[in-house]
Amino acid sequence: AQTVTQSQPEMSVQEAETVTLSCTYDTSENNYYLFWYKQPPSRQMILVIRQEAYKQQNATENRFSVNFQKAAKSFSLKISDSQLGDTAMYFCASQGAQKLVFGQGTRLTINP
Amino acid sequence: EPEVTQTPSHQVTQMGQEVILRCVPISNHLYFYWYRQILGQKVEFLVSFYNNEISEKSEIFDDQFSVERPDGSNFTLKIRSTKLEDSAMYFCASSKDQDGYTFGSGTRLTVV
Repeated sequence: AQTVTQSQPEMSVQEAETVTLSCTYDTSENNYYLFWYKQPPSRQMILVIRQEAYKQQNATENRFSVNFQKAAKSFSLKISDSQLGDTAMYFCASQGAQKLVFGQGTRLTINP
Repeated sequence: EPEVTQTPSHQVTQMGQEVILRCVPISNHLYFYWYRQILGQKVEFLVSFYNNEISEKSEIFDDQFSVERPDGSNFTLKIRSTKLEDSAMYFCASSKDQDGYTFGSGTRLTVV
């Protein structure tokens, strides 16, 4: 069975700081994808970044980057130069056959 | 940018009533999903749908639930005989090839 664990229920940083959100996962799939989703107070699920497991290079999207450690089954999200609009719940997810499995989420607050 | 559209955005129903949640996936996507998020909890997989049939379902998706693609564009989730614990945010998602999911903005279901 697939599992995804986010060990940080809440985090808080000052605007412009860098913050890293942790995620570990377990899967029996050989080829899979990993995702980070942002859920603002509107509760919409917004894709932040995606990593293909067979690619060694870490994915980056502007201020967002991941540290993908396949052997350790770790997939952390780094947000650089954090902005007030980054305040949201962040969910890590693993894609196995036919479905996404989500972690419990990390509530991130960016303080002015 | 193409969107997944969900209606209604908020539905209030009495316990025991049937509800139908509607979704219009992105037109060239082939895989369709329903997820559920009880307030304050993680996002849970309900069902995936491909080639006009259910491809996988979770243990949550019991006989109370059904899905249908009635006309080639809509994708519906029917919940029969609703219970208080069915109150949640329901997300529809679609995917072209299972490596990228687009979520709708969700339907907030309140059972009273």
